[in-house]
Amino acid sequence: QKEVEQNSGPLSVPEGAIASLNCTYSDRGSQSFFWYRQYSGKSPELIMSIYSNGDKEDGRFTAQLNKASQYVSLLIRDSQPSDSATYLCAVSSGSARQLTFGSGTQLTVLP
Amino acid sequence: DGGITQSPKYLFRKEGQNVTLSCEQNLNHDAMYWYRQDPGQGLRLIYYSQIVNDFQKGDIAEGYSVSREKKESFPLTVTSAQKNPTAFYLCASSSGTSGNTIYFGEGSWLTVV
Repeated sequence: QKEVEQNSGPLSVPEGAIASLNCTYSDRGSQSFFWYRQYSGKSPELIMSIYSNGDKEDGRFTAQLNKASQYVSLLIRDSQPSDSATYLCAVSSGSARQLTFGSGTQLTVLP
Repeated sequence: DGGITQSPKYLFRKEGQNVTLSCEQNLNHDAMYWYRQDPGQGLRLIYYSQIVNDFQKGDIAEGYSVSREKKESFPLTVTSAQKNPTAFYLCASSSGTSGNTIYFGEGSWLTVV
């Protein structure tokens, strides 16, 4: 069974700080990696995708991938209260490239 | 506007009833998916379809059925065999190509009464 595990939450950071979210996965054949943000009662929204080892930056968000360690992370710089949400790590594998999701990490940014 | 439309947004089911959740996309995506989310949990894959007239079971297909008669449509039926159907149901689609970014509809809340 393919597994995706995220660091247990909830996670609280003060406004302006860096939030660090971590994720490990079990399937070495995984090809694509995604971070989704989900506000309470809403559907997930894609915020980052990463496909190769290293860092990928997009505004205040940086995704980091280490396939040897089967580890992917998301850094949120200058955290804002509007970043308060649950962050879902998702890993794509298989012939249909279906996503396997972690259980999510709830982030609260305190004003 | 392009996107994925799910309906209804809220649905109540009586014991023993079958209900069908609609999912339509106008993104011209080949692949479509149904996920279930329970409170405080991640998403679990119910069924997926890579092409019209073909679909495969996901991790929790028991008690559910789907059809894919048109590229744009992928309805999910929650049958009476599904003993604990109360959840948030999410339909998604992707182009199916390398990279395979999956986009979600707004979701449907199903409650058993």
